[in-house]
Amino acid sequence: AQSVTQLGSHVSVSEGALVLLRCNYSSSVPPYLFWYVQYPNQGLQLLLKYTSAATLVKGINGFEAEFKKSETSFHLTKPSAHMSDAAEYFCAVSTSGGYQKVTFGTGTKLQVIP
Amino acid sequence: KAGVTQTPRYLIKTRGQQVTLSCSPISGHRSVSWYQQTPGQGLQFLFEYFSETQRNKGNFPGRFSGRQFSNSRSEMNVSTLELGDSALYLCASSETGVENTEAFFGQGTRLTVV
Repeated sequence: AQSVTQLGSHVSVSEGALVLLRCNYSSSVPPYLFWYVQYPNQGLQLLLKYTSAATLVKGINGFEAEFKKSETSFHLTKPSAHMSDAAEYFCAVSTSGGYQKVTFGTGTKLQVIP
Repeated sequence: KAGVTQTPRYLIKTRGQQVTLSCSPISGHRSVSWYQQTPGQGLQFLFEYFSETQRNKGNFPGRFSGRQFSNSRSEMNVSTLELGDSALYLCASSETGVENTEAFFGQGTRLTVV
């Protein structure tokens, strides 16, 4: 069975500070990992995805994530937070099966303080 | 290219009624997945269709059903609505439904059951 755990349902950072959102996965097979962002009353938008091509994955809006197998982690980072980054972020995992079944974490709401 | 379109955006229904939600995927996408999002349970997978066939189903009662048409448009139906069915229902489409492909999400349908 696959699952992801997001540590911290709420994270607050100052504008310009480092953003670090934590995600740990559990999977019996090599996973595909994703980070999605959701703005209020909107659907989800893909930030980045890991598909085993490279352990450091760069996404949109300056976000990146590093896949660490030894730690079963896929933390999301951004060097400098912007006010527009305030949103809810979801880590997600998908495993082989030939179908689009993605298991999402519980989400982390990011607050950016001016 | 138009994105994933979900209709209606908002819906209010009474307990015991049934409801049908619609999802038009991105042109050329053959896989459509449905998710339920609630504050308490987060994002939960409902089912996934590919070329008119349901390939996988989440852990929801039989009151939740869906179908996909030959043009890849999909509908989901909930019968005998309960208060707990109040949620944001998200539809996602992808080209092939293979686990490492990006799923594009619609803005969702906000269902309120009173």
